[in-house]
Amino acid sequence: AQKVTQAQTEISVVEKEDVTLDCVYETRDTTYYLFWYKQPPSGELVFLIRRNSFDEQNEISGRYSWNFQKSTSSFNFTITASQVVDSAVYFCALSPDYKLSFGAGTTVTVRA
Amino acid sequence: EAEVAQSPRYKITEKSQAVAFWCDPISGHATLYWYRQILGQGPELLVQFQDESVVDDSQLPKDRFSAERLKGVDSTLKIQPAELGDSAMYLCASSLEPLHEQYFGPGTRLTVT
Repeated sequence: AQKVTQAQTEISVVEKEDVTLDCVYETRDTTYYLFWYKQPPSGELVFLIRRNSFDEQNEISGRYSWNFQKSTSSFNFTITASQVVDSAVYFCALSPDYKLSFGAGTTVTVRA
Repeated sequence: EAEVAQSPRYKITEKSQAVAFWCDPISGHATLYWYRQILGQGPELLVQFQDESVVDDSQLPKDRFSAERLKGVDSTLKIQPAELGDSAMYLCASSLEPLHEQYFGPGTRLTVT
């Protein structure tokens, strides 16, 4: 069985602060994919990143960066210099096959 | 930029009534998914199609829910009869193939009264 845990329910920061979202997963599969999605207040889930289990390189995309550590089964996400537009619910998801298992999400509120 | 289309965006219905949702995936995407998202939770897969065939409907309450993708393009999800507990956001997603990133539509927010 697959399980994704996002222990932080809500995070509130002031604009320009960095914010790190934790994601811990459980799976018995050796090959799998990890994802992050953003859900703004409009409701649409926006794809951010996909990472396969064989690629532990960290990735940076603009103000976003991801830290994948297979040894601790974690795939954390950092927003640098947060902006009000970053306010949303962020979901981590795991897929060893075709099925996405989502975490419960972390609500990020960025205050001006 | 290609998008997944869903309609309606909002639906209010009384319990025991029938309700249907429509989804048009990104052109060329063979895999289509229907998810249900209860407020405060992550989405849960209801059904997955590969072209016109159902790949996984293990979480679909088949006594009241049905889904079809007759021509392997757009899809319809139906609930009959609706129950109060069905109030949720229903999301459609598509991907080129399984395991590729899924692109989501805006969702249909269903309220059953």
